[in-house]
Amino acid sequence: NAGVMQNPRHLVRRRGQEARLRCSPMKGHSHVYWYRQLPEEGLKFMVYLQKENIIDESGMPKERFSAEFPKEGPSILRIQQVVRGDSAAYFCASSPLGTDNSPLHFGNGTRLTVT
Amino acid sequence: TQLLEQSPQFLSIQEGENLTVYCNSSSVFSSLQWYRQEPGEGPVLLVTVVTGGEVKKLKRLTFQFGDARKDSSLHITAAQPGDTGLYLCAGDKAAGNKLTFGGGTRVLVKP
Repeated sequence: NAGVMQNPRHLVRRRGQEARLRCSPMKGHSHVYWYRQLPEEGLKFMVYLQKENIIDESGMPKERFSAEFPKEGPSILRIQQVVRGDSAAYFCASSPLGTDNSPLHFGNGTRLTVT
Repeated sequence: TQLLEQSPQFLSIQEGENLTVYCNSSSVFSSLQWYRQEPGEGPVLLVTVVTGGEVKKLKRLTFQFGDARKDSSLHITAAQPGDTGLYLCAGDKAAGNKLTFGGGTRVLVKP
């Protein structure tokens, strides 16, 4: 039973390029969350999605960042025109329900480095 | 400013010693979760505490949720090298799993 799968594990982009991060939730999970972890810091909530819907994007920067979770296929976090400050580990988590206390299962993250 | 403050930030102890990690906030949370994260991996849920004053035990780990649901602690008895890792607390404010994480406590248990 595969867990949350994220790819790529490592991504290097030059300033100004686009970064696409993919997340396949656990089987049967229809709720996906993206978190960002800066070096030596805790995780910060970015966005919460269900299939084809963005439920809460209050933690996501309004410019250059977007997220989707289409009916078919993985959830995508897209960062346009990356800057050095975007360098971080981006974690995706999924849960079977979107309610409080529904356990979150995290993937192993994508480490983005902007040069 | 962190909504959830963890202390200490770093803890280095010898195998067999006990340790306590604290997670404090001025806000009330509907539940609080503790995770452990290994280098290069995602956080793994250890426990969720929901009721004020609740105590949960997981082998050598004891988790406590404060009566006012603003703080929590994690106590490890007779620590082992396998307990080494980054321990994160995360609070849920009844917002559907939109968690607020503390800054983490990095624990190193030396053999």
